Amino acid sequence: EAQVTQNPRYLITVTGKKLTVTCSQNMNHEYMSWYRQDPGLGLRQIYYSMNVEVTDKGDVPEGYKVSRKEKRNFPLILESPSPNQTSLYFCASTPTGGGEKLFFGSGTQLSVL
Amino acid sequence: GEDVEQSLFLSVREGDSSVINCTYTDSSSTYLYWYKQEPGAGLQLLTYIFSNMDMKQDQRLTVLLNKKDKHLSLRIADTQTGDSAIYFCAEGYTDKLIFGTGTRLQVFP
Repeated sequence: EAQVTQNPRYLITVTGKKLTVTCSQNMNHEYMSWYRQDPGLGLRQIYYSMNVEVTDKGDVPEGYKVSRKEKRNFPLILESPSPNQTSLYFCASTPTGGGEKLFFGSGTQLSVL
Repeated sequence: GEDVEQSLFLSVREGDSSVINCTYTDSSSTYLYWYKQEPGAGLQLLTYIFSNMDMKQDQRLTVLLNKKDKHLSLRIADTQTGDSAIYFCAEGYTDKLIFGTGTRLQVFP
């Protein structure tokens, strides 16, 4: 089944403790991205990647890192999480960046205490 | 910068039509999208419209685009309880989509 898989689904952590949210897609898509969803703000793009080893900042990249060593994986790294990073995170992928349908993962609810 | 605005809530009776509105600022957008988010799930693409179109119909869904006013609407005919969700409009290309704040649609019997 074609899908975007994120792990974990829920995560509670403390300020400053490094964490990684994994994202994997099985559709051989070139383009992947991360969004965060906050009430009243909609979805905001954190980082995106057009292909392996090609990443770029979105609208709210501060406090986040990403890597794209393989086509299928695009992990989101929080080196030193802070409470303002408490949010619902979505990974998405699409074949190219030209207007096709975005496939979204089921989301990761992160709480930073 | 680009901005996309939606009203936050809409409540309709089952069987009525729902109209969800969206305004955007980037007149160069080629595509405009409607996504649906059900509780506990990611977003699913409902439909999209090219900027050179005025209307698109897909079964119970009708999308209207007023380019002059930069206004996009989604009409759901014969709204069902299964349509209860958050609806997001978005503009731009897939690698740089700007999402609205989302409209929570509640359908009551």
